[in-house]
Amino acid sequence: GQNIDQPTEMTATEGAIVQINCTYQTSGFNGLFWYQQHAGEAPTFLSYNVLDGLEEKGRFSSFLSRSKGYSYLLLKELQMKDSASYLCAVIVRSNYQLIWGAGTKLIIKP
Amino acid sequence: DTAVSQTPKYLVTQMGNDKSIKCEQNLGHDTMYWYKQDSKKFLKIMFSYNNKELIINETVPNRFSPKSPDKAHLNLHINSLELGDSAVYFCASSGTGVTGELFFGEGSRLTVL
Repeated sequence: GQNIDQPTEMTATEGAIVQINCTYQTSGFNGLFWYQQHAGEAPTFLSYNVLDGLEEKGRFSSFLSRSKGYSYLLLKELQMKDSASYLCAVIVRSNYQLIWGAGTKLIIKP
Repeated sequence: DTAVSQTPKYLVTQMGNDKSIKCEQNLGHDTMYWYKQDSKKFLKIMFSYNNKELIINETVPNRFSPKSPDKAHLNLHINSLELGDSAVYFCASSGTGVTGELFFGEGSRLTVL
């Protein structure tokens, strides 16, 4: 079956760094996505990894290891507005079907 | 210049009723989706259409019927609503950019009483 695991909730301090992990077991792999979802809002795209390594985009970076079925999202210089859920999703087929994790709720404290 | 818009945003109704949610995208995308996000926050795909053709139809009760009159619109009709249908329904679209990058509508929160 298809399975994506992420921690349910994490807490971090404003200005600090936090790493949100995601492990996956899927039949096939065509890329991994991270989305951000603020409470009561729609998910918005953050990053996409298809090759091993680190992709950096401003304060956010995403890492992928295909051999380990593992990814992480790294958030630096945390701001209060980063309080949100972070969803990991894996695309398993070329017809754009995404398998989603349940999301990690990130709470930022002053 | 809303990219993906869905209506209504909130819907409160009684069990047994029939309701529809409409979705429109102005991004020129070929593929549109309906997702259901329940109270546990899992996003579950329900349907996907590519150029008006159904390409993904997950295990969804046949009370749910999607309709795509053209590639910019994907509507969702639900018959005989049940309590368990209460959730947020998201419409999304994707184009030929980063594979799988989805653009979501704001969601329609359905509450069945």
